[in-house]
Amino acid sequence: QLQVQESGPGLVKPSETLSLTCTVSGGSISSSGYSWGWIRQPPGKGLEWIGSIYYSGTTYYNPSLKSRVTISVDTSKNQFSLKLSSVTAADTAVYYCARHPWQQLGNLIDYWGQGTLVTVSS
Amino acid sequence: EIVMTQSPATLSVSPGERATLSCRASQSVSSNLAWYQQKPGQAPSLLIYGASTRATGIPARFSGSGSGTEFTLTISSLQSEDFAVYYCQQYNNWPLTFGGGTKVEIK
Repeated sequence: QLQVQESGPGLVKPSETLSLTCTVSGGSISSSGYSWGWIRQPPGKGLEWIGSIYYSGTTYYNPSLKSRVTISVDTSKNQFSLKLSSVTAADTAVYYCARHPWQQLGNLIDYWGQGTLVTVSS
Repeated sequence: EIVMTQSPATLSVSPGERATLSCRASQSVSSNLAWYQQKPGQAPSLLIYGASTRATGIPARFSGSGSGTEFTLTISSLQSEDFAVYYCQQYNNWPLTFGGGTKVEIK
């Protein structure tokens, strides 16, 4: 059974860089039929897609965040990561990592991490 | 960017009744539309993909329909565990976009 699990600091200061890692277990991040993504949800609000990365390293980002986002993959550790720079209070959210079964079903999300709350505050 | 609009924002339904949720896309997404259920304190979970195909383990009381720009999620007879927030998501184009959600609450 595939599992994805977020990890990283729960508190980030304004103007600094938010860094999260997603560890994939029960499957290989290098599988060609899947891509991997980050989604966030501000407290009490809806879902916002941040970006996704294919096993090849190809990335797609939300245009509203593109200038501040970097998603990368570390196949040796079966992990992928999110970096969001110059954060403000508006970036406070629960951050989810997820899998897209793009080859078989498209870029929907079939596995979600449990989510990790990141608060931006001094 | 394709804007997804869900209605209503809140739906009050009695247990055992039918619930009908709507999702509209600002341009055609073909059948590349998914529905998710989110309960308090939990991650969303996949209900429907391809606009009308139930994900593994999803009860038959959940059904999806539509194509192009208009989509519907129907819960035929609401059970206590179905009271939650439901989101639609288009995956036809980048960027991936979600609707704002419909909260199904107990009447």
